Amino acid sequence: SQKIEQNSEALNIQEGKTATLTCNYTNYSPAYLQWYRQDPGRGPVFLLLIRENEKEKRKERLKVTFDTTLKQSLFHITASQPADSATYLCALVNQAGTALIFGKGTTLSVSS
Amino acid sequence: DVKVTQSSRYLVKRTGEKVFLECVQDMDHENMFWYRQDPGLGLRLIYFSYDVKMKEKGDIPEGYSVSREKKERFSLILESASTNQTSMYLCASRIGTSEYNEQFFGPGTRLTVL
Repeated sequence: SQKIEQNSEALNIQEGKTATLTCNYTNYSPAYLQWYRQDPGRGPVFLLLIRENEKEKRKERLKVTFDTTLKQSLFHITASQPADSATYLCALVNQAGTALIFGKGTTLSVSS
Repeated sequence: DVKVTQSSRYLVKRTGEKVFLECVQDMDHENMFWYRQDPGLGLRLIYFSYDVKMKEKGDIPEGYSVSREKKERFSLILESASTNQTSMYLCASRIGTSEYNEQFFGPGTRLTVL
């Protein structure tokens, strides 16, 4: 079955630095991958989607890469701010194409 | 903006009670989903529905059932609540016309079963 792993449970960085979060997957080749942000006590909010034929996608200070050979996606936040502190989830569509499977998330803490 | 609402933010029930969690979306989305989220386990899919009266089991359907009588409403039912069903429950919806579209989540219901 598909497996999706986010390597770090927690990441602590200083304000202004670039945060890089990793998402790896196995046993499957998804057509696309999504990233979500979740604040404590709230539901996840969609950030970015990247398709298998796209190497990189950007949105403001966010950048996502998708390496189908390595079966890995990297999520970057440049010039990080304390307001970026949250849990970030990556998600793949399941093999049937009917629902998303989520990683366990990486909790990012940005200190000023 | 899409709005997904859940009937309760916090709920406390006793073991053996029948529990209904309601989810309503206002954007005419075809697909709706129920997840539970637990520390260390992440988000796990319980059930989903791609149309009225249609349902599919997710990864952890045991102990749960669902109902979708109207397009905008998707209910999760715990027939006989148990303490291991204490969790955060999240509902989501998605437009059904393209599999690439993102899911919109509700705020969650934190259920405690005593």
